[in-house]
Amino acid sequence: GAVVSQHPSWVICKSGTSVKIECRSLDFQATTMFWYRQFPKQSLMLMATSNEGSKATYEQGVEKDKFLINHASLTLSTLTVTSAHPEDSSFYICSARQTGGANYGYTFGSGTRLTVV
Amino acid sequence: SQQGEEDPQALSIQEGENATMNCSYKTSINNLQWYRQNSGRGLVHLILIRSNEREKHSGRLRVTLDTSKKSSSLLITASRAADTASYFCATNSGAGSYQLTFGKGTKLSVIP
Repeated sequence: GAVVSQHPSWVICKSGTSVKIECRSLDFQATTMFWYRQFPKQSLMLMATSNEGSKATYEQGVEKDKFLINHASLTLSTLTVTSAHPEDSSFYICSARQTGGANYGYTFGSGTRLTVV
Repeated sequence: SQQGEEDPQALSIQEGENATMNCSYKTSINNLQWYRQNSGRGLVHLILIRSNEREKHSGRLRVTLDTSKKSSSLLITASRAADTASYFCATNSGAGSYQLTFGKGTKLSVIP
């Protein structure tokens, strides 16, 4: 089945530094990937839609200069949290959609727990 | 904003019992999907039901969809301790959009 690899699974960084999270579709091509943020015991909040070869589409309230998204190939999207602050600490999850329309389930990465100290 | 609202927020049952979770949504949809999330992990797709379908089965899972009431239910039969997880419904509105809008989830605990 479709597999999405997300790396790293957890990271601790100092305030002011940047952290890059990778999301790879291992056995299929993903023209569209999605980045979510999840706070403890809450649901997933869509941050942005990552489109291969073009700029990401950010949801309202998400700072595009702080959460840089690059989708340079059909199998890789990256999310860089720039100048991280403690309030950016969260669980970040990516997902990818296989081609064939919206009537298919999406495949999720295993998530990245970011802790900013 | 979250479209789906799961009910109940938390459910605790004995192993072997059935678990029913409900989801309501607000706008028209192309399909509705159910996902499972183990603590601290990513989501696993369970089942997808299209807007023109009313019921779907997959193993011990049964999903219903009532578009007139904008609601869906997920039934897990003969629950097992390994079913302990959070369950989310997610809707896709179609119309060229591939985005999913997630509900708040139901935390299911199956007691051995």
